[in-house]
Amino acid sequence: EPEVTQTPSHQVTQMGQEVILRCVPISNHLYFYWYRQILGQKVEFLVSFYNNEISEKSEIFDDQFSVERPDGSNFTLKIRSTKLEDSAMYFCASSGEFRGETQYFGPGTRLLVL
Amino acid sequence: EDQVTQSPEALRLQEGESSSLNCSYTVSGLRGLFWYRQDPGKGPEFLFTLYSAGEEKEKERLKATLTKKESFLHITAPKPEDSATYLCAVNTGKLIFGQGTTLQVKP
Repeated sequence: EPEVTQTPSHQVTQMGQEVILRCVPISNHLYFYWYRQILGQKVEFLVSFYNNEISEKSEIFDDQFSVERPDGSNFTLKIRSTKLEDSAMYFCASSGEFRGETQYFGPGTRLLVL
Repeated sequence: EDQVTQSPEALRLQEGESSSLNCSYTVSGLRGLFWYRQDPGKGPEFLFTLYSAGEEKEKERLKATLTKKESFLHITAPKPEDSATYLCAVNTGKLIFGQGTTLQVKP
């Protein structure tokens, strides 16, 4: 069964460093998303991406964040200068042809900023 | 403001003891309501999508129902392996999640 994959599973970084989180969405999906979950809190929407551009972003997704689909299979989230409060689980999700379709999530990347 | 609230926050059941989880929502432009299961340290695992009031979906011991203001996840005769956090999310183009119900089923 097709699934969303994410790498790395864990990432430890120093405050101020850049990190890139990688995702391979389900192959025939057209909508891609990033969410995050701070320990003990709700899953929060960060950004959605369609047709090679951002379709919606939350207030959390400020200038420190960027997304890219560098090739036909990968979808990346870059945090330019990490802060302590960026420590969280980051989930990639993808969905099919229509905006209301089910979003399937990857296993997540646990980011720890020291 | 779009909002999703789940209750209870935590639920302990004996194996075989049926119960229901609630998800109430206030959103504009609903494009579906989703239920996910999340195990500790893992990503949300899709369970059900509901699109219109009156709709019901079933899978093994789980049954999800939807009204105009809330959804229920009914668990019939749960087993210990059903222990997890159950997340409700409404789709407005992006998913807005509730805080989840953590279910523990004791043998």
